[in-house]
Amino acid sequence: AQTVTQSQPEMSVQEAETVTLSCTYDTSESDYYLFWYKQPPSRQMILVIRQEAYKQQNATENRFSVNFQKAAKSFSLKISDSQLGDAAMYFCAYQGEYGNKLVFGAGTILRVKS
Amino acid sequence: ETGVTQTPRHLVMGMTNKKSLKCEQHLGHNAMYWYKQSAKKPLELMFVYNFKEQTENNSVPSRFSPECPNSSHLFLHLHTLQPEDSALYLCASSPRRTSGRGETQYFGPGTRLLVL
Repeated sequence: AQTVTQSQPEMSVQEAETVTLSCTYDTSESDYYLFWYKQPPSRQMILVIRQEAYKQQNATENRFSVNFQKAAKSFSLKISDSQLGDAAMYFCAYQGEYGNKLVFGAGTILRVKS
Repeated sequence: ETGVTQTPRHLVMGMTNKKSLKCEQHLGHNAMYWYKQSAKKPLELMFVYNFKEQTENNSVPSRFSPECPNSSHLFLHLHTLQPEDSALYLCASSPRRTSGRGETQYFGPGTRLLVL
C-alpha cells in the first residue's frame, strides 16, 4: 500500500519570506499524481497544486511551486513571498494508477508571522 | 448554494442515537467521497461513490452506512457510534469525466461530530 509522510508537524515563516514543506511517499507504481491541499482555519480544504509523475517539469501556481524528485520519491512545496492568508494546514496527497482514491499525509501546520 | 455543502456543521450524539450526515454538491460532479479527519491522524478515506455506485469501502465499521441516491447527494448514516468516532467528517466531490485520475477533489466544510 502507498504511504505519504510529512515529517514536519509544524513550520513557521515570516511574512514575505519563503518556506518549504516536505513530503515523501512510498510506491511501486510508475504513473501517479501528487497533490498539495490547503486547509485554512475555516476548514474547507482546497487544492494548491498538482503534479503528474510522468511530467519532468515541476508544477507552479503563482507563489506556489513544487520540487518533484521522482527517484527520491520526494514532493516538496515551496511558498514564496508568504502571506498571512497562507497560514493553514497543508496536506500532501498521492493518487495511484487505478481509480480516484487519494492517500493523504498527516499534514503540516504553517504559521505565518507578521 | 455553490460548491459542496454539508449539514449539520456540528453534531453531538449519544452512543445509542441514530443520526445522518448530509452532503450536497452543486458542481455537476459524478464522484463523491467521505473522509474522516481525527486529531493527529492523517485524513482517512472512508467511501468512494462513482456514478452513484460504491467503488471503495476502506474497511469502515458497519456502524457507518453510506447512501448515494443520486450524483448530487451523499449521506452517512450513523448508529451506535463509539467515542473514538468523534472527528471531523469531510465530504468531497470530483468531476469523474474519464478515469477520474488527476482530478481536483472539492471539499465541503465538514461536520464536527462528538460522540458522548
